Amino acid sequence: KAGVTQTPRYLIKTRGQQVTLSCSPISGHRSVSWYQQTPGQGLQFLFEYFSETQRNKGNFPGRFSGRQFSNSRSEMNVSTLELGDSALYLCASRGQGDEKLFFGSGTQLSVL
Amino acid sequence: GENVEQHPSTLSVQEGDSAVIKCTYSDSASNYFPWYKQELGKRPQLIIDIRSNVGEKKDQRIAVTLNKTAKHFSLHITETQPEDSAVYFCALRSASKIIFGSGTRLSIRP
Repeated sequence: KAGVTQTPRYLIKTRGQQVTLSCSPISGHRSVSWYQQTPGQGLQFLFEYFSETQRNKGNFPGRFSGRQFSNSRSEMNVSTLELGDSALYLCASRGQGDEKLFFGSGTQLSVL
Repeated sequence: GENVEQHPSTLSVQEGDSAVIKCTYSDSASNYFPWYKQELGKRPQLIIDIRSNVGEKKDQRIAVTLNKTAKHFSLHITETQPEDSAVYFCALRSASKIIFGSGTRLSIRP
């Protein structure tokens, strides 16, 4: 069974641009969560999607948005990039009725 | 809102000694408390979890304790080995989402 796949692995953008990150969950998993990881801040919850609906949202500005498709793949979009958005963005999927999160390898975003 | 504080942020122990990481939280409705381990350059992975209906859970050299009254839970690693070197995150479920502490970087000295 393939694990959680995130693309791209690395991204370099400049301030003001927008970016879209992709996450393919483990087959059969319908829940996808996104986290921002920065040194010293741990894993900050962005949002969770389940069956194409946003189920939860963290304390991030509206520049951060996401969506989920019918095949459970999820995308995260960040508009008007700021220097402080530089981080590792991790997605995680879990099966129905299961609490365990399976993480992808992440997308390392650098904003210059 | 919900919050989980983790201490210490860095921890260095002699190989063979024990390591303890502590987390406190504010949401009294939380009932699920996992711990994740992230080795350098790798993705976080679940190592142990505990639910609020038990006070302690062990898995070989790893144990987690939970005090719901005081709203804190701890990870205990005994007989530490070099492969225990990693960043450890406590977490909890709050309002159906999993939120994480800020992490503890554990180093094992030979």
